[in-house]
Amino acid sequence: DSGVTQTPKHLITATGQRVTLRCSPRSGDLSVYWYQQSLDQGLQFLIQYYNGEERAKGNILERFSAQQFPDLHSELNLSSLELGDSALYFCASSVGGLDYEQYFGPGTRLTVT
Amino acid sequence: AQSVTQPDIHITVSEGASLELRCNYSYGATPYLFWYVQSPGQGLQLLLKYFSGDTLVQGIKGFEAEFKRSQSSFNLRKPSVHWSDAAEYFCAVGVLPGGYNKLIFGAGTRLAVHP
Repeated sequence: DSGVTQTPKHLITATGQRVTLRCSPRSGDLSVYWYQQSLDQGLQFLIQYYNGEERAKGNILERFSAQQFPDLHSELNLSSLELGDSALYFCASSVGGLDYEQYFGPGTRLTVT
Repeated sequence: AQSVTQPDIHITVSEGASLELRCNYSYGATPYLFWYVQSPGQGLQLLLKYFSGDTLVQGIKGFEAEFKRSQSSFNLRKPSVHWSDAAEYFCAVGVLPGGYNKLIFGAGTRLAVHP
């Protein structure tokens, strides 16, 4: 158990819909990262937050957005969902921006039908 | 651009045999390198990391990796594989946009272990 929690574990929704994925980092970790894992794209970095502020952006679509709240949990919002958005979404956390060791949550499996 | 290459998509070894998983990276500065393991239906677990210093690093579960700057490689090794090592293994390089880190992953190597 990494100490990072993600909810829900599974999510099935229809095209065009909007969903919110939630992540609680390990106690004491200020950085939260979101990754997408799909069969065709592999593991891709989406976005990072540090203590409430966006710090780095990767291959995140404009239909996706994220935020980190004052209690340090984070939410990833996916809208206008397409079939290709079906993937495993991981959250990871680390102590701070200069600490490279990231601990991964169990992931949320999103299926878009 | 930074990238990580894992040349082997699938590897099959017999239980008790030695293992080496290859990883090559492309990164302009001194890299921060990681190996993660993902068991079926699970999240990623950090096996080991290299930040600086001794180029041979020890990790959990009996794994080790060696950083070779001249070859831009960070290969993962284990002297004797156990059936429970069957999983997917990812090499990653940490990069620093604006002073904060993100990980770039290789495509992964799926390890099967024969009894």
